[in-house]
Amino acid sequence: GAGVSQSPSNKVTEKGKDVELRCDPISGHTALYWYRQSLGQGLEFLIYFQGNSAPDKSGLPSDRFSAERTGGSVSTLTIQRTQQEDSAVYLCASSLDRAFGFNYGYTFGSGTRLTVV
Amino acid sequence: AQSVTQLDSQVPVFEEAPVELRCNYSSSVSVYLFWYVQYPNQGLQLLLKYLSGSTLVESINGFEAEFNKSQTSFHLRKPSVHISDTAEYFCAVSGRNTPLVFGKGTRLSVIA
Repeated sequence: GAGVSQSPSNKVTEKGKDVELRCDPISGHTALYWYRQSLGQGLEFLIYFQGNSAPDKSGLPSDRFSAERTGGSVSTLTIQRTQQEDSAVYLCASSLDRAFGFNYGYTFGSGTRLTVV
Repeated sequence: AQSVTQLDSQVPVFEEAPVELRCNYSSSVSVYLFWYVQYPNQGLQLLLKYLSGSTLVESINGFEAEFNKSQTSFHLRKPSVHISDTAEYFCAVSGRNTPLVFGKGTRLSVIA
């Protein structure tokens, strides 16, 4: 697609439920990144993919968080048993490949605003 | 490990006045430096970046940033701001093999 597409744009869920957030990167971009933006915390790195593999998942906050990418395209970030502290904007980004991304920056999507009540 | 410090969480400034948004980084390796801008209810957009060469980099909308290796800084400046510059600005750093690390952001509010 023309840009990085994320869905849903907004999600309200009850504490304890599981949620799935979707990211569709720019066509042809092999690297994909997930960040979390919380009030006052800036952007926290969660995980990145090169192709379908995740060389760095060091930012995932707990084992309730997981992500996968299939077919080298769409990625899904899953949060199990959501907690109120998971409320944030989840941002996805992509780049041609990771070297390009690290050196020249990424293109971001508009994010999914998750609210856990 | 790399880190970024944005010293000011909020910066109010009158229209047509100059502004400087401060960014300091720490890294033990060569770095690449970025400024991103997030307008209200939008995603992040790359504003400018420093890779190598001239230490002064410019964006198309009048912002500039200067890489200062001795002070480990990459401050963002604009000589005259407009209402439309109201946004949140994020400084970021990466190494050759590491994802971007972002600061906590500076909210620039331009007052008419």
